[in-house]
Parts: sequence; C-alpha cells; structure tokens
Amino acid sequence: EAGVVQSPRYKIIEKKQPVAFWCNPISGHNTLYWYRQNLGQGPELLIRYENEEAVDDSQLPKDRFSAERLKGVDSTLKIQPAELGDSAVYLCASSLDFAEAFFGQGTRLTVV
Amino acid sequence: QKEVEQNSGPLSVPEGAIASLNCTYSDRVSQSFFWYRQYSGKSPELIMSIYSNGDKEDGRFTAQLNKASQYVSLLIRDSQPSDSATYLCAVIGAGGTSYGKLTFGQGTILTVHP
Repeated sequence: EAGVVQSPRYKIIEKKQPVAFWCNPISGHNTLYWYRQNLGQGPELLIRYENEEAVDDSQLPKDRFSAERLKGVDSTLKIQPAELGDSAVYLCASSLDFAEAFFGQGTRLTVV
Repeated sequence: QKEVEQNSGPLSVPEGAIASLNCTYSDRVSQSFFWYRQYSGKSPELIMSIYSNGDKEDGRFTAQLNKASQYVSLLIRDSQPSDSATYLCAVIGAGGTSYGKLTFGQGTILTVHP
C-alpha cells in the first residue's frame, strides 16, 4: 500500500514569489493534516481537513497561505507571497478518523 | 500551558541502557496518544500508539499512559545507537477547540552512545 506522497521534496524560491506543495494521502484516509516544522521544534498544525472540509485552520496565516482538498483526496498548500520566515519543512499527514497519522516525506522550503 | 510538553532533553544514554521519555498534556479528556521517531532530515515515523491507561509493549518499546495524571511516557529498553533520534509525543484532543486536533510536543533528542 502506498504511503503519503508529497511533492516537491525540495524547493528554493526568492522572497515574494509564490510556491505550492502537493499531497496525496493514503487511500481511504478521510483526515488530512498540513504541518510546518522549524528546525529543532515539533510539527505545528497549519490546517486539518475532514474529507473536503477544513475543520481547523486557526493556525493558517490566511493573508498569504491558502489550501484546498479537491474531492476529499489530494491537497495543495500555497504560499503567496513567500517571506524569509516561511523557510521550513512542510509536512502532510493522513489518518482514518482519530487513528494513527502517517506522514509523507515532507517538502523542505528555502526562501532566499 | 502548552498543549503537549516533553522533557527538554537532550537525553544521552549508554548502549544497552533504558531510555525514558516523558510527556504531559493539557486536554483532560484526550483519548489517543502517540509516539513518533524522527531521524535528522526525515519525517516523523509512528512507533507506538496507546489509548488506555497502563502499559503497552512492542518489542523494546513500552508506552505508559496515566490519564489521571495526564502523563504519557515511552521506555526504550536495551537502547541501540540506531535509536538516536528525536522522539515526538502527540495527542489528539477531545475537548473544545482541540477536538480531533493532533498536537505534537517539541520533541526530545535522544543520543545512545556506544
């Protein structure tokens, strides 16, 4: 069974440019999470989806971040415009209801 | 108070020793608890889940949960250098605005030296 797939693995962009991350969760998993992880810290939740609905986006900086989950499967997280402080690893995870969550490989974003 | 807190570390133990990692959480009604291992430059990997009070053993790993004290721990017996990693405690909230939210602690760095 395929795990959570994320792309790209690495991205380097100049500040003020847009960037998008893609996530394909484990088949059948209704819950999808996007996290941001800074060096030396635990993952911080940006947004959580239950099927197509964003049920928790309280930590998403909505002035520059947006996300969508089409048809309750794949998801895209976008930053526009990117700032230097957005440099981090962006992690996608999925789970079935409140069971164990499994992570993708992550996208390491560097904003220069 | 942070939702999930872990002992600050870093923790260094000799090979063959028992490593003890601790975590407390603030949501009194949480029901689901997890330990993840994260190697440098990699994404978190689930190693244990626990839902009921008491101990749960899986190989060299034992998770312990005490809901009354809002405390969960991970013991690693016969620690190996390959266990050197950051260990993340995670909790799914069950009350109020935390309902269904998977929250992580800041992680504890474990080093097992030969």
